[in-house]
Amino acid sequence: QVQLQESGPGLVKPSETLSLTCTVSGASISSYYWSWIRQPPGKALEWIGYIYYSGSTNYNPSLKSRVTISVDTSKNQFSLKLSSVTAADTAVYYCARQRGATTALMDWGQGTLVTVSS
Amino acid sequence: EIVLTQSPGTLSLSPGERATLSCRASQSVSSSYLAWYQQKPGQAPGLLIYGASSRATGIPDRFSGSGSGTDFTLTISRLEPEDFAVYYCQQYGSSPSFGPGTKVDIK
Repeated sequence: QVQLQESGPGLVKPSETLSLTCTVSGASISSYYWSWIRQPPGKALEWIGYIYYSGSTNYNPSLKSRVTISVDTSKNQFSLKLSSVTAADTAVYYCARQRGATTALMDWGQGTLVTVSS
Repeated sequence: EIVLTQSPGTLSLSPGERATLSCRASQSVSSSYLAWYQQKPGQAPGLLIYGASSRATGIPDRFSGSGSGTDFTLTISRLEPEDFAVYYCQQYGSSPSFGPGTKVDIK
């Protein structure tokens, strides 16, 4: 059974960079596409972007200038960096697995709350 | 960018009733790249339907999806107590996006 676990700081200061890692177990990171999604408290889901193990990425146009997703195949992990954060970036951040570039999100991590505050 | 709208915002029903949720896209969704997810409070979303009408593994057959182009529907034939939740549609074409969600609550 595939498991995904997000990790990283729960509090980030405004203007700094949010950094999260998703650790994958039960599946090789070299076989699927890996996504980040976020959900502000009480609000809807927002797709952030995805990466393939080769390093190919696709980002939400509204976040593209601030987002970097990377993959570490040796650790079976992938990561999210979001720069110049503001309070509007406060959200639960989820990592997820998809079979291909245009497929649904088949497995999700439990999510981690990141608060942007000084 | 494809914008998804969902209606109604909230659906108040009793157990055993039929639920019909709508998802409308601002432009045609390629090859029915449309999914539905269920989210319960404090939990991550879970995949219900993909390809507009295919049930994900382990999803009971009271859940069904239909539609194509710009209009899609999720139907729950008979609501069970565990079905009261928020439902999101997602298009997963070249630039994925989610709808705002429909909350199904107990009447």
